[in-house]
Amino acid sequence: AQSVTQLDSQVPVFEEAPVELRCNYSSSVSVYLFWYVQYPNQGLQLLLKYLSGSTLVKGINGFEAEFNKSQTSFHLRKPSVHISDTAEYFCAVHLTTDSWGKFQFGAGTQVVVTP
Amino acid sequence: NAGVTQTPKFQVLKTGQSMTLQCAQDMNHNSMYWYRQDPGMGLRLIYYSASEGTTDKGEVPNGYNVSRLNKREFSLRLESAAPSQTSVYFCASTPRGGGTDTQYFGPGTRLTVL
Repeated sequence: AQSVTQLDSQVPVFEEAPVELRCNYSSSVSVYLFWYVQYPNQGLQLLLKYLSGSTLVKGINGFEAEFNKSQTSFHLRKPSVHISDTAEYFCAVHLTTDSWGKFQFGAGTQVVVTP
Repeated sequence: NAGVTQTPKFQVLKTGQSMTLQCAQDMNHNSMYWYRQDPGMGLRLIYYSASEGTTDKGEVPNGYNVSRLNKREFSLRLESAAPSQTSVYFCASTPRGGGTDTQYFGPGTRLTVL
């Protein structure tokens, strides 16, 4: 079985500063990787996903993530955050060997952007 | 398109009461999911429906039942609510159900069991 660890439960950051959210996973087989964002009182929406190919993935709203197979990580970055990036961010994995949508989510990282 | 809709948005129950959470999607997706979200635990899968007429248990199915009424609708029923079921419930759908799919989430139902 796979597991997903988001190493920071909360990340405070100043507006226009960079941010990195860390995600590590454990799995004996290859995985698909996702980052979702949840704005206050809303459902989750996809930021980006890694399926195969280039290990640097670009998503919406200026976010990008890098897949590192040797370190089993998929960290999310943004070079300059806005107040509107205040939200909770979830990393998720899916085994490539699973035939149906058995997604495993991390516990989430709350990002608070202050002026 | 409305995407994924959920009703109700909020609900307060007493221990032992029953209720059904409704979910509908208008994207012609094959697969639908019910998750619960608890602080510090992320999202945990309750039940899954790969396609119309099929349902499967997820990680935390105890105390819940589901019905895939048709391709659009997937309901979650609590037969006898317990305080441990206080949570935020999210419905989601995916086009095919495979691991490469993007999940589309509803706005959630915030349930409190007293």
